[in-house]
Amino acid sequence: SAVISQKPSRDICQRGTSLTIQCQVDSQVTMMFWYRQQPGQSLTLIATANQGSEATYESGFVIDKFPISRPNLTFSTLTVSNMSPEDSSIYLCSVGGLAGAWTDTQYFGPGTRLTVL
Amino acid sequence: DAKTTQPNSMESNEEEPVHLPCNHSTISGTDYIHWYRQLPSQGPEYVIHGLTSNVNNRMASLAIAEDRKSSTLILHRATLRDAAVYYCIPITSNTGKLIFGQGTTLQVKP
Repeated sequence: SAVISQKPSRDICQRGTSLTIQCQVDSQVTMMFWYRQQPGQSLTLIATANQGSEATYESGFVIDKFPISRPNLTFSTLTVSNMSPEDSSIYLCSVGGLAGAWTDTQYFGPGTRLTVL
Repeated sequence: DAKTTQPNSMESNEEEPVHLPCNHSTISGTDYIHWYRQLPSQGPEYVIHGLTSNVNNRMASLAIAEDRKSSTLILHRATLRDAAVYYCIPITSNTGKLIFGQGTTLQVKP
């Protein structure tokens, strides 16, 4: 299994500013993912952040708005840039492939609750 | 990606079995069927997964139809802590991506 922490746990930000969310894992993992969960909705995958390669973004998400870094096998950051109230969501990171297979269990962080005023 | 259909909500009484259905008629032969659940104010957590055979673990059982177009998650004795949103997710590529549908909100009554 994996233990994942996220910082900050919550934040309230002004529109037009940017927030960087950190995701730390207690073991080395290949696959890391970022999700968004808007109020009352299911999770939506933003991007896949595998170490050693550029992040791969899902349809509707772009690097300029959600730049991602993956400097090593235990850490990643997601930045929400030029925020608007529509960006108010919970942002979650997850990790997978602990046993070396893409079908492996994914483990999720507790999420970062972002409110944009 | 394979599409899934789950009931929006279900209710159960505490200590009774719960059967949560999922239709995934467009699933391919190599897609694994994963189930996750999300407790209130928490990130999703893994429940169980399988390919063709029925699977059991300490949390639940997974019954997969012979044609693999549907599956059922079975909680043998529901507890209040099992109240959550349950997601059935076929993993359809070697990327490991989870594509969440709307899931089933399970309410457990004492």
